[in-house]
Amino acid sequence: GQQVMQIPQYQHVQEGEDFTTYCNSSTTLSNIQWYKQRPGGHPVFLIQLVKSGEVKKQKRLTFQFGEAKKNSSLHITATQTTDVGTYFCASLLTGANNLFFGTGTRLTVIP
Amino acid sequence: GAVVSQHPSWVICKSGTSVKIECRSLDFQATTMFWYRQFPKQSLMLMATSNEGSKATYEQGVEKDKFLINHASLTLSTLTVTSAHPEDSSFYICSAQLQGNYGYTFGSGTRLTVV
Repeated sequence: GQQVMQIPQYQHVQEGEDFTTYCNSSTTLSNIQWYKQRPGGHPVFLIQLVKSGEVKKQKRLTFQFGEAKKNSSLHITATQTTDVGTYFCASLLTGANNLFFGTGTRLTVIP
Repeated sequence: GAVVSQHPSWVICKSGTSVKIECRSLDFQATTMFWYRQFPKQSLMLMATSNEGSKATYEQGVEKDKFLINHASLTLSTLTVTSAHPEDSSFYICSAQLQGNYGYTFGSGTRLTVV
């Protein structure tokens, strides 16, 4: 079945440093979504990427979809303590509406 | 925006008993809802897709007789964990998608502890 791996599994950064998480799939993805889950909370939708090579920005967050549509990345510039949480990539199977999640990257920001 | 309400937030039950978790779409109709399970420090694993007015579709390895799903209306799906055992202790989360939105909206989750 479809497997989506994320690296790193954990990341500790000093406040103000940048952070990047990578999402890699064994198969071509029709789309990629990113979610953030705060400790003890539920996933919250951040963005969806569909096109090959697509890049989208949300303030300090930059999302990228690879040319081959098998990988994606989320980059946070100048992290803040409010960025703490686990970041998941997720994807829909082609023609389906059920969302499968990547393994996640847990970000800790040290003030 | 789309809001999904999930109850209870947490529940502790004795081994062998059943627990029902409710998931409601508050301001939209959801013909399909999704149930996930998340163990500590792990990712969300899709358990089943709940379809209004028809049988749920279960993912491989999920026992349909143990995790009963009912989607009787366009705004309510329920997950019943039957004959719960300690290994069923987990965080259960439902989600739905508002038509026209890309992202999925998640309930606040139910932390189940079976003792």
